[in-house]
Amino acid sequence: GQNIDQPTEMTATEGAIVQINCTYQTSGFNGLFWYQQHAGEAPTFLSYNVLDGLEEKGRFSSFLSRSKGYSYLLLKELQMKDSASYLCAVTVAGNNRKLIWGLGTSLAVNP
Amino acid sequence: EAGVTQFPSHSVIEKGQTVTLRCDPISGHDNLYWYRRVMGKEIKFLLHFVKESKQDESGMPNNRFLAERTGGTYSTLKVQPAELEDSGVYFCASSQLAGGSLEQFFGPGTRLTVL
Repeated sequence: GQNIDQPTEMTATEGAIVQINCTYQTSGFNGLFWYQQHAGEAPTFLSYNVLDGLEEKGRFSSFLSRSKGYSYLLLKELQMKDSASYLCAVTVAGNNRKLIWGLGTSLAVNP
Repeated sequence: EAGVTQFPSHSVIEKGQTVTLRCDPISGHDNLYWYRRVMGKEIKFLLHFVKESKQDESGMPNNRFLAERTGGTYSTLKVQPAELEDSGVYFCASSQLAGGSLEQFFGPGTRLTVL
């Protein structure tokens, strides 16, 4: 079966750094996505990792270790607008378009 | 560039009724996906169109759900007859055909409540 785990909730302070972890157990891993979703809105794409290592994009970075079945999303210089749900999703061999999702991590950024 | 749009944004119906959800993907996107999020659960894949063809419909819950994409443009998802457990948020997403980015662009979702 497919299993993706993320912490349910996290809190952090404006200006700080936060790391959101995601572990997965899937058959035939292909790639891993991170999406951001504000309440009542569409999920929006943040990053995609297929190879081991760190991908940096502005204040957001995403890391993947295929051998450990582990990823994290790193958010730097947190802003209030970063309060949202962060969703980890993977694709597996056979259909690299079908996203398999975790429950998401609700991040609250406090002043 | 217009994003993915979905209609209606909310729908409240009674058990046994029929509801049709519509999704308009980003122009030129041949891939179209339907997902559903039931309260308290993760987002789950329903099906994937490539143009007008169903590429993967392994996530469709049962035969009360019918998805179509005539002409390869917009798509509809019909639930007939609706049951209480069909309540949730139905998301549509679209992406470019193979060779382009795998990023899927999501619509805002249709919140379906079955009473």
